[in-house]
Amino acid sequence: GNSVTQMEGPVTLSEEAFLTINCTYTATGYPSLFWYVQYPGEGLQLLLKATKADDKGSNKGFEATYRKETTSFHLEKGSVQVSDSAVYFCALSDLQRDSSYKLIFGSGTRLLVRP
Amino acid sequence: EAQVTQNPRYLITVTGKKLTVTCSQNMNHEYMSWYRQDPGLGLRQIYYSMNVEVTDKGDVPEGYKVSRKEKRNFPLILESPSPNQTSLYFCASSFRRQGANEKLFFGSGTQLSVL
Repeated sequence: GNSVTQMEGPVTLSEEAFLTINCTYTATGYPSLFWYVQYPGEGLQLLLKATKADDKGSNKGFEATYRKETTSFHLEKGSVQVSDSAVYFCALSDLQRDSSYKLIFGSGTRLLVRP
Repeated sequence: EAQVTQNPRYLITVTGKKLTVTCSQNMNHEYMSWYRQDPGLGLRQIYYSMNVEVTDKGDVPEGYKVSRKEKRNFPLILESPSPNQTSLYFCASSFRRQGANEKLFFGSGTQLSVL
């Protein structure tokens, strides 16, 4: 079945460092790919998405490119801030038999940014 | 304010005592879903609903029930909770009945402990 694999955390960085969180997927067909972010004590929020190969999703300085040839959707940010400390989830949309879509999540990567 | 509201935020109960976690959205969304979040496993779908009176099982439905009598409400029912249902639960919704191929809006979560 379809699945998502993320790098294990926690990832600890100093403020203004470059961030990469790796995400690879296994899927039949061409799913949409997502990054969701979970700040402490809150629910998940959509950070960015890409719907087809070579699409780049971007938001709040974060970027991720849908790479079909490497089945990857790595999250990057050029200069992280303390406020970016959160758990980041990579996900793909999985088409079900009833034509609904389900999100399949990776296990999440905790990012801690130190001042 | 557009939101998904879950209650309660925290719940401690004992094995076998029936409980209900409520979920309500004020965005007139068609699709609603319940997830549980466990360390190292990411989020896994419990049940989902594509419309009023239409519900279906997700990946981990055992021990749970849901109902969708009104569009805005989607309660999660544990008839006889067991310790392996100790988890962080999230309700989510999206505009289209097809669900998660577009943005999902999440509630703030319910931390359940079953003793």
